[in-house]
Amino acid sequence: DAKTTQPPSMDCAEGRAANLPCNHSTISGNEYVYWYRQIHSQGPQYIIHGLKNNETNEMASLIITEDRKSSTLILPHATLRDTAVYYCIGTSYGKLTFGQGTILTVHP
Amino acid sequence: DAMVIQNPRYQVTQFGKPVTLSCSQTLNHNVMYWYQQKSSQAPKLLFHYYDKDFNNEADTPDNFQSRRPNTSFCFLDIRSPGLGDAAMYLCATSAQGAYTGELFFGEGSRLTVL
Repeated sequence: DAKTTQPPSMDCAEGRAANLPCNHSTISGNEYVYWYRQIHSQGPQYIIHGLKNNETNEMASLIITEDRKSSTLILPHATLRDTAVYYCIGTSYGKLTFGQGTILTVHP
Repeated sequence: DAMVIQNPRYQVTQFGKPVTLSCSQTLNHNVMYWYQQKSSQAPKLLFHYYDKDFNNEADTPDNFQSRRPNTSFCFLDIRSPGLGDAAMYLCATSAQGAYTGELFFGEGSRLTVL
């Protein structure tokens, strides 16, 4: 799995976009970038994944740089319920190796 | 409706007393995973099943065993729990047919060792 680097914590105001960065400079050509989040005392929840192209679903958007060395997860209108630990993972198969993630705190 | 169900949600055991945690799924996924998550740490993969094939991680202690009697159920057995095994144990599944990074997690079983 690719080694990923994320800031340990970020803040965001409710209603604003939350942009969570991830560096994965060692990612290989066949490794996807996955994002998960874990709300306190719950199991991790899949958010989105991508390989090369930008992706969007009902939860978030994923922007991957052209060289694939970094990506940004965008929550377009953050709510208090989006407060969680966000994990960025690079993998070519199902064994997810979680790093320390980013603690996102959404405040009123 | 919950698709990956873990029982019990909370388990208290004594040092050295065996414990079994269960996981059931309604997704008919053929891959099932067990993760251990200690306080303030990221989840760590213990092992996984691809159908009936068991795949252990190299650094998973022998104290941890698993059984998968059928597609829907998977069990985590901790033969002699130590204080260091206190953690949240997470079960996850992934889609039939191939490995994929889109995993469905249960709510976890929190183990306390006295």
